[in-house]
Amino acid sequence: EAQVTQNPRYLITVTGKKLTVTCSQNMNHEYMSWYRQDPGLGLRQIYYSMNVEVTDKGDVPEGYKVSRKEKRNFPLILESPSPNQTSLYFCASSSGTLQKRHFGPGTRLTVT
Amino acid sequence: GESVGLHLPTLSVQEGDNSIINCAYSNSASDYFIWYKQESGKGPQFIIDIRSNMDKRQGQRVTVLLNKTVKHLSLQIAATQPGDSAVYFCAEKEGGKLIFGQGTELSVKP
Repeated sequence: EAQVTQNPRYLITVTGKKLTVTCSQNMNHEYMSWYRQDPGLGLRQIYYSMNVEVTDKGDVPEGYKVSRKEKRNFPLILESPSPNQTSLYFCASSSGTLQKRHFGPGTRLTVT
Repeated sequence: GESVGLHLPTLSVQEGDNSIINCAYSNSASDYFIWYKQESGKGPQFIIDIRSNMDKRQGQRVTVLLNKTVKHLSLQIAATQPGDSAVYFCAEKEGGKLIFGQGTELSVKP
């Protein structure tokens, strides 16, 4: 089944404790991206990657890092999480930038 | 339509009626637009897309209309069903990024 998977689905952590949210897709898509979703602000793009070893900042990249060492994986790294990064995070992939994005199920992160 | 604020715009329709969800986009250079549906607790799901060289595109029970003159996009859902209840987002493509609107919550009354 074609899908985007994210882990963990739920995470509660403390300020400053490094964490990684994994994202994997099995559709051989070149394009992958991360979004955060907050009430009243909608979906905002954090980072995106057009292919292996190619990453670019989205609209809200501060406090986040990504890497794209393999085509199927695009982890989101929070080196020192802060409470304002409490949010619902979605990973998405597509076969190109002008193609429909397939979204993962979301990761709900709480930073206390 | 889409707007800034803590509360999503809402649209309530009777089952069987047609729904029209509106969206104003910001960049006149955007060349690709998508509508997504997000049900509670799930990720956004693709509904339909349209390129800027078109003004209308039809899918199964859905139609997207694009008016580039006024930078307006609409999603029409025919014969709305309870399963259509969700938040609907429009998105415009800017370079490698998709810029999402804040969404409209569609509620279908039986």
